[in-house]
Amino acid sequence: EIVLTQSPATLSLSPGERATLSCRASQSVRSYLAWYQHKPGQPPRVLIYDASTRATGIPARFSGSGSGTDFTLTISSLEPEDFAVYYCQQRSDWLTFGGGTKVEIK
Amino acid sequence: QVQLQESGPGLVKPSETLSLTCIVSGGSVTSGAYYWSWIRQPPGKGLEWIGYIYYSGSTNYNPSLKSRVTISADTSKNQFSLKLSSVTAADTAVYYCARESWRRLDYWGQGTLVTVSS
Repeated sequence: EIVLTQSPATLSLSPGERATLSCRASQSVRSYLAWYQHKPGQPPRVLIYDASTRATGIPARFSGSGSGTDFTLTISSLEPEDFAVYYCQQRSDWLTFGGGTKVEIK
Repeated sequence: QVQLQESGPGLVKPSETLSLTCIVSGGSVTSGAYYWSWIRQPPGKGLEWIGYIYYSGSTNYNPSLKSRVTISADTSKNQFSLKLSSVTAADTAVYYCARESWRRLDYWGQGTLVTVSS
């Protein structure tokens, strides 16, 4: 099983600030990593796939980088609707998710 | 636009079998290169992949659940189903169906809460 470790668990920021979320894999997942945004009462929404490709309709303030074992999701300037939980997911092996990072309003 | 909708009982007794169905519209469960998946989220916890059925009919399951899980498809109704046997309180969760395309889950159902309790 490939374990994904996300950090930090919680990120307290203000609107307009930059958010940097990390996801580390227990072994290489090549570039087969996706990021999701999850809000209460809604299904998760894919933001980024293949480490750095924005999904359809995702604003340019969301960007992903990394390969192998270390990945980053960056939100360049937080909008009010961006406060949510973010998960990374790998598909190099059978699918696993990270534990999530909660981005909360400071 | 692909849409998925879960349906099934919201309450299941311990030791019984949880059964859910995902109805797919705007796309076909037999169309190429898609994995039709089940994911769950226990209250206050993260997401857990349960398994998938490929468009060809082959299946793959989370090893931690493999002994209890069956995913099948009814192509005539364009839907796929999840059966999880011998449930306990630990199986209480919101269950989602989703489509996996090119290594990401691009379409999701709204999710359905299943509670295991006597």
